[in-house]
Amino acid sequence: QKEVEQNSGPLSVPEGAIASLNCTYSDRVSQSFFWYRQYSGKSPELIMSIYSNGDKEDGRFTAQLNKASQYVSLLIRDSQPSDSATYLCAVIASGGAAGNKLTFGGGTRVLVKP
Amino acid sequence: DVKVTQSSRYLVKRTGEKVFLECVQDMDHENMFWYRQDPGLGLRLIYFSYDVKMKEKGDIPEGYSVSREKKERFSLILESASTNQTSMYLCASSSGQPGSPLHFGNGTRLTVT
Repeated sequence: QKEVEQNSGPLSVPEGAIASLNCTYSDRVSQSFFWYRQYSGKSPELIMSIYSNGDKEDGRFTAQLNKASQYVSLLIRDSQPSDSATYLCAVIASGGAAGNKLTFGGGTRVLVKP
Repeated sequence: DVKVTQSSRYLVKRTGEKVFLECVQDMDHENMFWYRQDPGLGLRLIYFSYDVKMKEKGDIPEGYSVSREKKERFSLILESASTNQTSMYLCASSSGQPGSPLHFGNGTRLTVT
């Protein structure tokens, strides 16, 4: 079983709709969770971080964390064509020198259609 | 803003050459990382460093080595480049605080012919 799992997509969303992305992780003691956006040919850029159960909102993005169920999700409201990208979920493994080592999921490709 | 700079955007090398990929960060970050990214395989960690002169193997260290002589600079070395090392290489850094995110450089697309 992969440590961080995402549906690879593509997730096709009409412009103006809500895109919902999910991510599950296997390390029960993980404490830090991130969403990165990656445009084709570019490097990943951080869009959200979340550390506590519940929702965290930043502009059109909302991250949701449920540690009991070991999943983290990302909602993109009012999706725009410029949101078309691959979204990577990342989790920090626990402990030691690996305390800040991120494990990435395979990414979900999102296509927003005008 | 954190700036992570990779010395080359595109690089073409021949099989058997020794290749150096350089990365510099300007935020006094303790941690630095080298990943490679390939279609269908995602981001895979090659090596990371949590302090000067310290290094740890990641998931795919074979065929690579690293050097961190100064805090701001982390070099990835391909001792003898092979065609299966053709890939996008991404450098990243993070602070030493637990739970800090990674900040990535622009990437180096390496082609080995």
